[in-house]
Amino acid sequence: DGGITQSPKYLFRKEGQNVTLSCEQNLNHDAMYWYRQDPGQGLRLIYYSQIVNDFQKGDIAEGYSVSREKKESFPLTVTSAQKNPTAFYLCASSPDSTGNTIYFGEGSWLTVV
Amino acid sequence: GEDVEQSLFLSVREGDSSVINCTYTDSSSTYLYWYKQEPGAGLQLLTYIFSNMDMKQDQRLTVLLNKKDKHLSLRIADTQTGDSAIYFCAEGYTGRRALTFGSGTRLQVQP
Repeated sequence: DGGITQSPKYLFRKEGQNVTLSCEQNLNHDAMYWYRQDPGQGLRLIYYSQIVNDFQKGDIAEGYSVSREKKESFPLTVTSAQKNPTAFYLCASSPDSTGNTIYFGEGSWLTVV
Repeated sequence: GEDVEQSLFLSVREGDSSVINCTYTDSSSTYLYWYKQEPGAGLQLLTYIFSNMDMKQDQRLTVLLNKKDKHLSLRIADTQTGDSAIYFCAEGYTGRRALTFGSGTRLQVQP
């Protein structure tokens, strides 16, 4: 089946630890995105990548890092520098780099205790 | 700047029509979208409209666009309990990095 797969679905980490969220797509999409969702605040863009080996910061990139070594993969690392990491993280992809019509994965819940 | 506003909550009875509203500020917007999010899940693309259109209908969904007022609405006919979800409005244009999303409208459908 074609789609965007995020893993794990639920993740618990101790404060001060880095954690990496996986995002894989088999849609042959060029562009990939990471959004963060907090209750009542909608979606905020963390990082995006329009092409392999290239990525740009979004609106809330501080405390996060990404890589795009393969077209189908765009992992997100939540570092210990992120002050409030507990949130729902959504990965998305788009057929091209125009930034339109994006498709989402099922999301990953990260809880830092 | 880019800003998308939605009301937070809407409650309707099963069988009634639902109308979810959205306003945006970027006059460059050429694509406007509606996404649906069920609890604990990702966002599902419902429909979209180009800015040169006034209306788009897709089965029970009708999208109306008033470009002059920068107002977008989603009408769901014969609303069912399965339509209970959060609905996000989003806007974008070719060449911009990513879509801008509203905060979402929670639709509650009462039996």
